[in-house]
Amino acid sequence: NAGVMQNPRHLVRRRGQEARLRCSPMKGHSHVYWYRQLPEEGLKFMVYLQKENIIDESGMPKERFSAEFPKEGPSILRIQQVVRGDSAAYFCASSPQSIRTVNYGYTFGSGTRLTVV
Amino acid sequence: KQEVTQIPAALSVPEGENLVLNCSFTDSAIYNLQWFRQDPGKGLTSLLLIQSSQREQTSGRLNASLDKSSGRSTLYIAASQPGDSATYLCAVRNTGGFKTIFGAGTRLFVKA
Repeated sequence: NAGVMQNPRHLVRRRGQEARLRCSPMKGHSHVYWYRQLPEEGLKFMVYLQKENIIDESGMPKERFSAEFPKEGPSILRIQQVVRGDSAAYFCASSPQSIRTVNYGYTFGSGTRLTVV
Repeated sequence: KQEVTQIPAALSVPEGENLVLNCSFTDSAIYNLQWFRQDPGKGLTSLLLIQSSQREQTSGRLNASLDKSSGRSTLYIAASQPGDSATYLCAVRNTGGFKTIFGAGTRLFVKA
């Protein structure tokens, strides 16, 4: 079990391009959480997904950002028309079931560092 | 609204010292508290997870305590080593929810 896998590790995009970040949860985990870490800041919650469902996206910017977790394949965080302020590290965490019901901690991936030039 | 604060923001100590990192949170209705380590440019490594019913957890040279009523947790590192240099993050999960709220971290530098 390779743990939570995120790719790419580093991503450079020009302003106005699209960025796609992928997260494969640990084997047996069906819940995914995305966090963003701006330079010199802590991690901020963005979105919580289960397979084919967005449970809470209250931390997602209202425009340009979207997330999905299809029945097959990794979870995708998509940022359209990127701007310099989107430059950050984006981390994905997974859990075996809802942390609402079971007292598990998070397992994080290594993150994707997005740089917008 | 849960807020998590970590003090100090940065700490530099000579090798061998015992040290304490502090974490405070405003809402005591929590499921658990988790301490992470983050190396520069890397992901997060979970160090210790304390359930709300527990008072402390230990792993090697690390000991984390939890005082839910006062909204505080401490991470104690014994006999610090240069390899302990990293940012240490405290994260709290509230009851009835799933969001884990992070502090801004304490950046630790252990000098050889």
